[in-house]
Amino acid sequence: EPEVTQTPSHQVTQMGQEVILRCVPISNHLYFYWYRQILGQKVEFLVSFYNNEISEKSEIFDDQFSVERPDGSNFTLKIRSTKLEDSAMYFCASSEHPSGGANSPLHFGNGTRLTVT
Amino acid sequence: AQSVTQPDIHITVSEGASLELRCNYSYGATPYLFWYVQSPGQGLQLLLKYFSGDTLVQGIKGFEAEFKRSQSSFNLRKPSVHWSDAAEYFCAVGALFPGNQFYFGTGTSLTVIP
Repeated sequence: EPEVTQTPSHQVTQMGQEVILRCVPISNHLYFYWYRQILGQKVEFLVSFYNNEISEKSEIFDDQFSVERPDGSNFTLKIRSTKLEDSAMYFCASSEHPSGGANSPLHFGNGTRLTVT
Repeated sequence: AQSVTQPDIHITVSEGASLELRCNYSYGATPYLFWYVQSPGQGLQLLLKYFSGDTLVQGIKGFEAEFKRSQSSFNLRKPSVHWSDAAEYFCAVGALFPGNQFYFGTGTSLTVIP
């Protein structure tokens, strides 16, 4: 069964550095998402992406964050000038149709654990 | 505003016992409802989904869930729990409006006692 893959599985970075989290969505999916989960807390929506542009973003997704689909397969999340509170598990997801649409659940990757020191 | 509530933060059951995890949602239209499971160090795996039709839906690993519109609930059940079911369980609502995103509950952590 096709999977969403994320790399790296664990990223450690120093405060103030930039990180790029990478995702390869399922190949026939058109909608892409980033979520994050701070340890012990709920899974929070960051951003959704369709047709090479952001379709929705949450309050968390401020100017520190950006997303890109640099080629036909990768979907990246860039975090500039990381802060301690950015430490979390970041999940990429994709869906064939808009989330909540007919028979179109989100398929999640295994996540990237980001640790900011 | 859309929201998902999972009232139970942590549940402990004995292996072989039945299980019910509660989920309540708030959404202005017909919801699309999902249950995901997260094993330690793993991603979110879809257990089952409800879009329309039969309100009792069957999922993987022997799980089922029942949609009750009158109670705004979508509780997850399993008749006999296995030790491998120990994990974090998330209920989610899929929403097209006002934006294209999922709303997750805070999760219920399941411990299974041998």
